Amino acid sequence: DVKVTQSSRYLVKRTGEKVFLECVQDMDHENMFWYRQDPGLGLRLIYFSYDVKMKEKGDIPEGYSVSREKKERFSLILESASTNQTSMYLCASSSSGTGNKETQYFGPGTRLLVL
Amino acid sequence: AQKITQTQPGMFVQEKEAVTLDCTYDTSDPSYGLFWYKQPSSGEMIFLIYQGSYDQQNATEGRYSLNFQKARKSANLVISASQLGDSAMYFCAMRDSWGAGSYQLTFGKGTKLSVIP
Repeated sequence: DVKVTQSSRYLVKRTGEKVFLECVQDMDHENMFWYRQDPGLGLRLIYFSYDVKMKEKGDIPEGYSVSREKKERFSLILESASTNQTSMYLCASSSSGTGNKETQYFGPGTRLLVL
Repeated sequence: AQKITQTQPGMFVQEKEAVTLDCTYDTSDPSYGLFWYKQPSSGEMIFLIYQGSYDQQNATEGRYSLNFQKARKSANLVISASQLGDSAMYFCAMRDSWGAGSYQLTFGKGTKLSVIP
C-alpha cells in the first residue's frame, strides 16, 4: 500500500514564525504535491515537484516555498506565517505513469492554526 | 473558468439506497483522466475510482461506479447500497495534459454526503 505521511496532524504557530511542514512517501513516486484546503474553496495547489530539486508553482504559491532534496521527501515552508495561512494542508504523491497510475495518494493532512 | 463543477453542496441518502453525485468538467484536451476521492471527517483524501477519457467502459470499483457521459462532459459517481460509513465529502478531480502542469489535478469544490440510518 502507498503510504504518505505528514509530520504533524495539528500545528499552532504565531504570526511571523517560520513553519516547516514535512511530507514523506514510501512508493518511490516521482511527483509530489502540496495543497491547501479551505471550506467552500476545495483543494488548491500550492506547489508541486516532478523530480528531486525540481519545483513548479501551483495556483497559490504566494507566501510559500518548497524543498525537495530527496525523492521521498517534500517540504512546505511558510517563511513568515500569517493568519490567512490558517488552513488544512494536504500532501500527495503520484507516479509518472498513465491512466490509473497517475492517481494521487494523499497524506492525513496538517491542520495549521496561525495566531 | 471552472474546470470541474460539482453542483450539489450537500446530499442526503437513506441507508442501503443508491446515490448519484454529480460532476461536470470542461476541457478541450482529448486525453484526460477523471478521479473521485472521499474525505471523511478525519481529513485524509481516499482515492475511490478512475476513468480515462479513452476508456470504453464505465469504471467500477466495488460499490462505486462512474457514469461517464463523454458528450455531456459528465462523470457522475454512483454509490450503491449506501452505508453509514459513506458519510463524507466527495471530490471530483480531473487531469488533462498541457505543458508542465500535466501531472496536476484540478478539484471540484466537493459534495457533502450524509447517510441517514
